[in-house]
Amino acid sequence: EVQLVESGGGLVQPGGSVRLSCVASGITLSDYWMHWVRQAPGKGLVWVSRINRDGSSTDYADSVKGRFTISRDNAKNTLSLQMNSLRVDDTAVYYCARPQGGASFDIWGQGTMVTVSS
Amino acid sequence: DIQMTQSPSSLSASVGDRVTITCRASQGIGNYLAWFQQKPGKVPQLLIYTASTLQSGVPSRFSGSGSGTDFTLTISSLQPEDFASYYCQKYNTAPWTFGQGTRVEVK
Repeated sequence: EVQLVESGGGLVQPGGSVRLSCVASGITLSDYWMHWVRQAPGKGLVWVSRINRDGSSTDYADSVKGRFTISRDNAKNTLSLQMNSLRVDDTAVYYCARPQGGASFDIWGQGTMVTVSS
Repeated sequence: DIQMTQSPSSLSASVGDRVTITCRASQGIGNYLAWFQQKPGKVPQLLIYTASTLQSGVPSRFSGSGSGTDFTLTISSLQPEDFASYYCQKYNTAPWTFGQGTRVEVK
C-alpha cells in the first residue's frame, strides 16, 4: 500500500522555525516530483512548494519564498519542509502530495498541523 | 502568476440534482486542470485530471470538460456522499494554483 506520513507539526511562536517530514512507503520517492500543500483552518487548499526527483530544482509560492525550504533524502524515502520566520498566517495543516504521471495529486499524506501563535 | 477562479463559492442542492461548478483560469492552461473533492476532516481526493479524465474508482456521475481558460465539473445526479467541497487546480507550470473552492451543501 502506498502511504505518505507527515510529522513535525506543533505549536511554534511567531518568528520561530519548524521542520516537517514526509516519509513514503510503498513507493520509491526518487521516481517522483513531490509537493507540499497547506490548508488553514476552515479555508481552501494552497499550493506551497515542489521539488524535482533529484532535489536540484525547487519552486515556491510567493507567500513562503525566502522563508521555506523544500528538500528530500531519497535514500531515506523522505521529503522535508524547513519553515523559518513563521507567521500567524502560516497556521495550517500541511500535506505532502505525490502527482501521478500526467496528472495531479493522487496520493496525499494525512497532514500535520502547524500552529503559529504566541 | 495565473489565477484560478471558481464559481459559485457555495451552492445548495438536493439529492438527484445536476450540479455544475465552473473554474476559470486567468490565462490559458491547455487541459492541465484537475478537480478534487474534500470532505470535512478528510484528505482531498482526485476526481478528474487533464480536464476530463476520470480518476480510477471515481463514479461516472462526475465529469469534467473545458480547455484553455474555462472548465466545468458536473455531477449528473447528486448523491448523499457528494456533499463536500470541490477544488479545481492548474498544474501546467508552477505554481500549481488551486481555485478557492466550492462548497456543495444540502438544500
